Amino acid sequence: EDKVVQSPLSLVVHEGDTVTLNCSYEVTNFRSLLWYKQEKKAPTFLFMLTSSGIEKKSGRLSSILDKKELFSILNITATQTGDSAIYLCAVPEETGFQKLVFGTGTRLLVSP
Amino acid sequence: DTGVSQNPRHKITKRGQNVTFRCDPISEHNRLYWYRQTLGQGPEFLTYFQNEAQLEKSRLLSDRFSAERPKGSFSTLEIQRTEQGDSAMYLCASSFMTVETQYFGPGTRLLVL
Repeated sequence: EDKVVQSPLSLVVHEGDTVTLNCSYEVTNFRSLLWYKQEKKAPTFLFMLTSSGIEKKSGRLSSILDKKELFSILNITATQTGDSAIYLCAVPEETGFQKLVFGTGTRLLVSP
Repeated sequence: DTGVSQNPRHKITKRGQNVTFRCDPISEHNRLYWYRQTLGQGPEFLTYFQNEAQLEKSRLLSDRFSAERPKGSFSTLEIQRTEQGDSAMYLCASSFMTVETQYFGPGTRLLVL
């Protein structure tokens, strides 16, 4: 069964710090890995990483994929209080790619 | 707003009652997903529709749960004889053609007393 493990489970930093969130996955038929940000309600899409796109960057957020070691990291530089959220990692399940399998998420709190 | 919408946003019910949630996907999206999320966990897949056909159901979806998507547009998720363990956020998402392009709705938070 596909498995996605995120670490740490929670993290408290000060504004301006840089954080690294981790996601390891076990799928026998990899297609993509997705990162979402979830504030009080719906997860919102951040990045999709694939074999042909192993690095993505958007402003202060960046992500890389290591297909050999089966993990991804999400970096946030110069954190702001608005970055406080749950960050979710997900992969399409390998049987038919019909659904996403999510990790438990990392809860990030950025204090002023 | 042309995103995914869900109603109600919050529902409090007593154990044993039936509840029904509604999801309106983005209009051109043919795929619709239901997930359940409990505190400290990521969303867990419940079921998936392609147009009006329900193509997959999770083992999490006991026989008290039923979902429909008549005419391939909005979807409803009904829980019969609710239990306290059903308390969770129920998320709906829709996409066009691929699982990766899902847009999530704001969720319905259910509390069973």
